[in-house]
Amino acid sequence: KQEVTQIPAALSVPEGENLVLNCSFTDSAIYNLQWFRQDPGKGLTSLLLIQSSQREQTSGRLNASLDKSSGRSTLYIAASQPGDSATYLCAGVRGGSNYKLTFGKGTLLTVNP
Amino acid sequence: GAGVSQTPSNKVTEKGKYVELRCDPISGHTALYWYRQSLGQGPEFLIYFQGTGAADDSGLPNDRFFAVRPEGSVSTLKIQRTERGDSAVYLCASSLRGSVNTDTQYFGPGTRLTVL
Repeated sequence: KQEVTQIPAALSVPEGENLVLNCSFTDSAIYNLQWFRQDPGKGLTSLLLIQSSQREQTSGRLNASLDKSSGRSTLYIAASQPGDSATYLCAGVRGGSNYKLTFGKGTLLTVNP
Repeated sequence: GAGVSQTPSNKVTEKGKYVELRCDPISGHTALYWYRQSLGQGPEFLIYFQGTGAADDSGLPNDRFFAVRPEGSVSTLKIQRTERGDSAVYLCASSLRGSVNTDTQYFGPGTRLTVL
């Protein structure tokens, strides 16, 4: 069974700081990995999708990497802003079941002005 | 364009009652998914539709849960004889084809179900 772990569970940083969120997964057969953002009372917004053949994806101030051999993904946020405050979730998809997202519990990020 | 919509946004019911939760996917998306998110947890997969058929219902917790998508668009998640443990946020997502190699799942805002 695929297990996805996110560390830390919560993170508080001052505005402008660069930060890294970590995601680890137990199944090396992971097909791709997605990072989502969830605001309180809202649904999930997809941030980045990294396919199994890729090592990283970038969107604006966000950069996500995927290392299948070590079972890890990181989400790097540059020059954090108060508007980045949210819960960040990573989710993996296993090869052969290329639709069923397995989520971690998320990291609650607070960026203080 | 319009995203995934879910109704109602909140539902409070009593133990033992029947509830229906509705999902309107993005127009043209053939794949539809239901997930359940309990407090402090990540979403957990319930069921996946490709068109009108349930391609994978392995995440449904028991036979009190059922979902339909009769015309390949709107889907309804049905819960019979609700229990307090069913309280959670029920999330719906849709994607263009269902092949996640290039697909992104787009999520709705969810329905918060509270069973008293």
